[in-house]
Amino acid sequence: DSGVTQTPKHLITATGQRVTLRCSPRSGDLSVYWYQQSLDQGLQFLIHYYNGEERAKGNILERFSAQQFPDLHSELNLSSLELGDSALYFCASSAPNTDTQYFGPGTRLTVL
Amino acid sequence: DAKTTQPNSMESNEEEPVHLPCNHSTISGTDYIHWYRQLPSQGPEYVIHGLTSNVNNRMASLAIAEDRKSSTLILHRATLRDAAVYYCDGGSNYKLTFGKGTLLTVNP
Repeated sequence: DSGVTQTPKHLITATGQRVTLRCSPRSGDLSVYWYQQSLDQGLQFLIHYYNGEERAKGNILERFSAQQFPDLHSELNLSSLELGDSALYFCASSAPNTDTQYFGPGTRLTVL
Repeated sequence: DAKTTQPNSMESNEEEPVHLPCNHSTISGTDYIHWYRQLPSQGPEYVIHGLTSNVNNRMASLAIAEDRKSSTLILHRATLRDAAVYYCDGGSNYKLTFGKGTLLTVNP
């Protein structure tokens, strides 16, 4: 158990819908990262938040957005969902001034 | 982002050493090399990272080539619990990017 929690574990929805994925980092960690993992693309970095502020963006689509709240939990919002958005979405957290990221168990999103 | 190349799969016997290679020929001078592993139905798990010098921790050792274009993850005595997909990343320090990784099978 990494100490990072993600909900829900599984999500099945239809094209065009909007979903919210939630992540709680390890106690004391200020950084939250979101990743997408699919069979053909591997693990792709989406976005990084540090203590409530966006620090870096990766290959995140405009239909996707995220935020980190004052209690440091984070949400990833995916809208206008397409079949190709079906993937595992991971959240990771890290302590200040460290490189090691601790990953949550992931949310498996299926878009039908 | 730096691209990495790893063998698709490797096989080892329990209690034997395993050397998992990774090529990261486009790595920049300040990027760390990270290794993670992923068991089925779990999130990636940190294994080790380094910049230029070889590194050891309780899980593994990391040997980094002098030109930093390749590295080798060394599991000194493989156990059945080490069976996983191993990923290396030689890109920006926190923007991890994994390809298909190396599927390590450990035979009892």
